[in-house]
Amino acid sequence: AQSVTQPDIHITVSEGASLELRCNYSYGATPYLFWYVQSPGQGLQLLLKYFSGDTLVQGIKGFEAEFKRSQSSFNLRKPSVHWSDAAEYFCAVGAPGTYKYIFGTGTRLKVLA
Amino acid sequence: DVKVTQSSRYLVKRTGEKVFLECVQDMDHENMFWYRQDPGLGLRLIYFSYDVKMKEKGDIPEGYSVSREKKERFSLILESASTNQTSMYLCASSPLTATTEAFFGQGTRLTVV
Repeated sequence: AQSVTQPDIHITVSEGASLELRCNYSYGATPYLFWYVQSPGQGLQLLLKYFSGDTLVQGIKGFEAEFKRSQSSFNLRKPSVHWSDAAEYFCAVGAPGTYKYIFGTGTRLKVLA
Repeated sequence: DVKVTQSSRYLVKRTGEKVFLECVQDMDHENMFWYRQDPGLGLRLIYFSYDVKMKEKGDIPEGYSVSREKKERFSLILESASTNQTSMYLCASSPLTATTEAFFGQGTRLTVV
């Protein structure tokens, strides 16, 4: 069955530090992968997506993610975190030929000043 | 600019009431979704619709129904609200299958008392 695992429920980093949020997926074929961010009380905003091609993808707000097929991972990174990055982050998989997205349970990021 | 609008940000309803959550998108998307978001559980799909008057159950449809009479509007109905339906509800739309990203509304926080 398709699934998405975000092993870290909470992460705390200091402002200016680097960030990596983990995402592992289980899917039989090449998946379509997404990272979304949700600020408190808001809906989800797309940060970036991977469909094919270059395995390192750039997104908005200075985020990037790397697709590693051998590890079934799509980890999100940012070299220097800003206080405004405090939010919840969701990894998602889209299955070709279906309408459904599978979301991870989210990672809540706290940024220390 | 792409927009998904949910009619209410916050709702408080009494147990047993019939509740309507409304969602409108202005992107001419075929697909629309209703998710429920609870801490530690991520996003769970309640229902989705891939065309006008067409709907399919998601992972947690019990206690809910939906209506899509027009392409741009997708309503979630709680036939008889219960306290365990207190949650954040997110509407989303997408143009194609799950190979393209979904666009989310700002969410409705429903409290059933």
